[in-house]
Amino acid sequence: NAGVTQTPKFQVLKTGQSMTLQCAQDMNHNSMYWYRQDPGMGLRLIYYSASEGTTDKGEVPNGYNVSRLNKREFSLRLESAAPSQTSVYFCASSASDRTGNTIYFGEGSWLTVV
Amino acid sequence: QQQVKQSPQSLIVQKGGISIINCAYENTAFDYFPWYQQFPGKGPALLIAIRPDVSEKKEGRFTISFNKSAKQFSLHIMDSQPGDSATYFCAASRGETSGSRLTFGEGTQLTVNP
Repeated sequence: NAGVTQTPKFQVLKTGQSMTLQCAQDMNHNSMYWYRQDPGMGLRLIYYSASEGTTDKGEVPNGYNVSRLNKREFSLRLESAAPSQTSVYFCASSASDRTGNTIYFGEGSWLTVV
Repeated sequence: QQQVKQSPQSLIVQKGGISIINCAYENTAFDYFPWYQQFPGKGPALLIAIRPDVSEKKEGRFTISFNKSAKQFSLHIMDSQPGDSATYFCAASRGETSGSRLTFGEGTQLTVNP
């Protein structure tokens, strides 16, 4: 009963380093999402994938890339990390991208860029 | 531009009291209004949601009140318990938009004292 699993849980990066956040879901969902959460700003959508093979930019895509590897997996890559990317990152999934479908979130990845 | 504004930022309530969190939105095309609950170290989870064709929805101790003309909606937690202590996010989205495109409020940190 794993749901949405994301790794790593915690990561400290130096400015300019790259890294990939991994996400997998076992609910056979078509749609997957990456959000970032910052104090006082709620959750903001970085990228989403409405179905396998498609990806689209969200509200704050700059500095990130994504890959929908297959139906289960959706990764987020920081090519050259910046201190402004210090945040908590959440992967999520839903049965489809239609309004009203419940979105299920992972437990988050805490990223600090120094 | 914050399309969904949430208040208060933090709220302290005594056990047994009523917790009230308010949200206001700008986009009249929004037609789905969920509330998410997030415990420390966990991802957000859907708590309750409403569509604008009804003015109120109740699930146990949790009630959403919706005022379409004022473009406001609120979450009421009756008989608040210490276990309700969490961060609450309101959100809104448009039905015809592809991708979930949820716009989140800034969040309210609720503390229920025993």
